[in-house]
Amino acid sequence: AQSVAQPEDQVNVAEGNPLTVKCTYSVSGNPYLFWYVQYPNRGLQFLLKYITGDNLVKGSYGFEAEFNKSQTSFHLKKPSALVSDSALYFCAVRDPTNAGKSTFGDGTTLTVKP
Amino acid sequence: GAGVSQSPSNKVTEKGKDVELRCDPISGHTALYWYRQSLGQGLEFLIYFQGNSAPDKSGLPSDRFSAERTGGSVSTLTIQRTQQEDSAVYLCASSLRGSVAEQFFGPGTRLTVL
Repeated sequence: AQSVAQPEDQVNVAEGNPLTVKCTYSVSGNPYLFWYVQYPNRGLQFLLKYITGDNLVKGSYGFEAEFNKSQTSFHLKKPSALVSDSALYFCAVRDPTNAGKSTFGDGTTLTVKP
Repeated sequence: GAGVSQSPSNKVTEKGKDVELRCDPISGHTALYWYRQSLGQGLEFLIYFQGNSAPDKSGLPSDRFSAERTGGSVSTLTIQRTQQEDSAVYLCASSLRGSVAEQFFGPGTRLTVL
């Protein structure tokens, strides 16, 4: 079985400060990992993914995430937060041996204050 | 259109009635997913279609829920004898074939069962 945990329901940061949204996963094989963002009153949008290769992956809007196999983590980061980054963020994992099914975390609400 | 579309955007129904929710995936996407998002909750996987293969129905919560995909394109999620606990936002997503592909989400259908 595959699972994802986002241990923080809410993350608050000040504009200009670095942000981290945490994600840990459990999957039987090598994981495929994804981050999605849901802005208020808008649908989910893909941010970035890790499939293989460099552990640090870069995505949309200046976000990046680091895959850490030993800690089974895939934390989302951004060096300097913007107020417009305020949204609901979801981490997702897919087991390559179960090609279709993605398991999503419960989401983390990021609030960036001016 | 360029994205995933869903209809209706909102549906209010009475307990016990049947409802049909429609999803038009992105042209060329062979994979189609249905999820349910309850208020304050993460995404709950419902069903997955990949091409002409048998769908993965492992997430359907009861036999009142069913889905079909006609011609490898449009999909309909049907909920029979709706219950109040079925109230949620139902999200559809599509992707290119393969487990490495990210999903593109529609805007969702907000279902309210009175």
